Amino acid sequence: ETGVTQSPTHLIKTRGQQVTLRCSSQSGHNTVSWYQQALGQGPQFIFQYYREEENGRGNFPPRFSGLQFPNYSSELNVNALELDDSALYLCASSSSSGRTDTQYFGPGTRLTVL
Amino acid sequence: GNSVTQMEGPVTLSEEAFLTINCTYTATGYPSLFWYVQYPGEGLQLLLKATKADDKGSNKGFEATYRKETTSFHLEKGSVQVSDSAVYFCALSDAGGTSYGKLTFGQGTILTVHP
Repeated sequence: ETGVTQSPTHLIKTRGQQVTLRCSSQSGHNTVSWYQQALGQGPQFIFQYYREEENGRGNFPPRFSGLQFPNYSSELNVNALELDDSALYLCASSSSSGRTDTQYFGPGTRLTVL
Repeated sequence: GNSVTQMEGPVTLSEEAFLTINCTYTATGYPSLFWYVQYPGEGLQLLLKATKADDKGSNKGFEATYRKETTSFHLEKGSVQVSDSAVYFCALSDAGGTSYGKLTFGQGTILTVHP
């Protein structure tokens, strides 16, 4: 069984650019959630996708957007990058979207904005 | 809103010592509770979970009991090893009247175990 994978591993961008991060969910999972983890902090919820629809969103501006595809893989897009967007971006998949469902995390994408 | 508070770190122990990492929470609904572990340069791995009051989660010698009366989910291990050195995150998942569960994390506790 393949776990959650993310690409790329590392990324360096400059302020104002746009970035796309990718996530492949674990086999059999239809829900993907994205989190931002700043250095030395706990992850913060960005949004969740369930069966290709956005299912909930945290306190992030609209320049953070996403997609989920029919195979349940997902993308996170960030426009107009700011220095504070530098963080580890984590994707997690689960077999459903309920509160009891365990979310399994990928290794993350380290984004650096210069 | 929901929140999770973990004990201040870092925590430094000798091998075979007893470990406790305190975690308390505030939630609007009936949360599930989790402990995740993050090794250097890696993502988060689920350590254990509990989905209702008085449930005990356990894995790899770690245990935590869901205490609704004290809104706590403290992590314990009787004898730590050097390989347990990592960052530990307490988290809750609470639909809170919405249709989905999202994880709210504590700030993390760094554990270092010396031989």
